[in-house]
Amino acid sequence: GENVEQHPSTLSVQEGDSAVIKCTYSDSASNYFPWYKQELGKRPQLIIDIRSNVGEKKDQRIAVTLNKTAKHFSLHITETQPEDSAVYFCAALEYGNKLVFGAGTILRVKS
Amino acid sequence: EAGVAQSPRYKIIEKRQSVAFWCNPISGHATLYWYQQILGQGPKLLIQFQNNGVVDDSQLPKDRFSAERLKGVDSTLKIQPAKLEDSAVYLCASSLVGNTEAFFGQGTRLTVV
Repeated sequence: GENVEQHPSTLSVQEGDSAVIKCTYSDSASNYFPWYKQELGKRPQLIIDIRSNVGEKKDQRIAVTLNKTAKHFSLHITETQPEDSAVYFCAALEYGNKLVFGAGTILRVKS
Repeated sequence: EAGVAQSPRYKIIEKRQSVAFWCNPISGHATLYWYQQILGQGPKLLIQFQNNGVVDDSQLPKDRFSAERLKGVDSTLKIQPAKLEDSAVYLCASSLVGNTEAFFGQGTRLTVV
């Protein structure tokens, strides 16, 4: 089955700096890679996703890149703001529609 | 559109007691997931349904956990008997079939004492 590893587990950045979170996956058949943001006590919410036929996708300050050969994908947040502070989870959708999550990254944006 | 509904929001039980959680997915979503999220960890998939059939339950502790999805809509997850290590947030999510967004409910926070 799919194994998703996520790094780092915690990340502190100064407001305005960029943040990068990286994930690797094991199942080469995985074809959909969403990123979720979870604020304290709240449900995970999708912030961006990428499909395996695309190498990069951008939405305002957030971008995701995918390297299928190396089986890794990354989340990039530019011009970070205090409201970006949260836990971020990557996930991979393997064959059979099974959505497997990474362990999460706690992002702290210091103002 | 209405989101994924879960109840109850919180539950405190003693070990060895039983508990049940309920989930109502977004209308039209054939895929339904139950995840267990222990504090500080990522969601761990317990069971996945497509319509009323089980797609994957490889990580469901079947000696104490059970789940069903009657008529391919609502779902219940039951724990009997509960253990201390079952304390977690139980998240339900639903999606259309295929590589599309999974929408999460608010979750049920279970505390076993």
